Amino acid sequence: SYVLTQPPSVSVAPGQAASIACGGNNIATKNVHWYRQRPGRAPMLVVYDDNARPSGIPERFSGSNSGNTATLTISRVEAGDEADYYCQVWDISSNHVVFGGGTKLTVL
Amino acid sequence: EVQLVQSGGGLVEPGRSLRLSCTTSGFTFGDYAMSWLRQAPGKGLECIGIIRGRAYGETTENAASVKGSFTISRDDSKSTVYLEMNSLKTEDTAVYYCTRVGGGSYYPLYFDYWGQGTPVTVSS
Repeated sequence: SYVLTQPPSVSVAPGQAASIACGGNNIATKNVHWYRQRPGRAPMLVVYDDNARPSGIPERFSGSNSGNTATLTISRVEAGDEADYYCQVWDISSNHVVFGGGTKLTVL
Repeated sequence: EVQLVQSGGGLVEPGRSLRLSCTTSGFTFGDYAMSWLRQAPGKGLECIGIIRGRAYGETTENAASVKGSFTISRDDSKSTVYLEMNSLKTEDTAVYYCTRVGGGSYYPLYFDYWGQGTPVTVSS
């Protein structure tokens, strides 16, 4: 089955940019979606179809997808961005929804 | 404004049953597939099933981990989706989320709106 790999943690200072990677075999051939989950809260979609933002999500959130790695970039990080971030794809070959293991973003 | 409000859940003994509900508003419910996901304590996210909208015959699919035990249904007149959980096991302990499948798709491509989550604890 298809596997998505994320780093367990990423740390960044306020005002800097944070990049969270999501690795998968030929992931560029899939549409990647990203969710933010604040502690004790439900996940929220922040990027879909590699680089589209739902309404209400700030332009600071952007995504890219190339080769074997998709990346969520958060520019000008704020304290409120501290959360777990999950990448997700739909793997049509296995008919499965696949999530990465999640990355905890810490704002220093 | 799209809203998904969950109810049900709680503490249940192994082998028993439980039904979760998710009442929605702010969109044309019948046009969208709905999915249930869960998150075990300290773990990641797992999609456990989908029920499609009327355009796709309201068909359902379940993950192998719950096939034969969990049933997803919907009542379009109430804009509500249900998760019936039977023969519950301790490993079913998790927070359960109902979600709207983005883009009105046949497949659970992504999940654009989430309920608040309902904790289910299976323990004797």
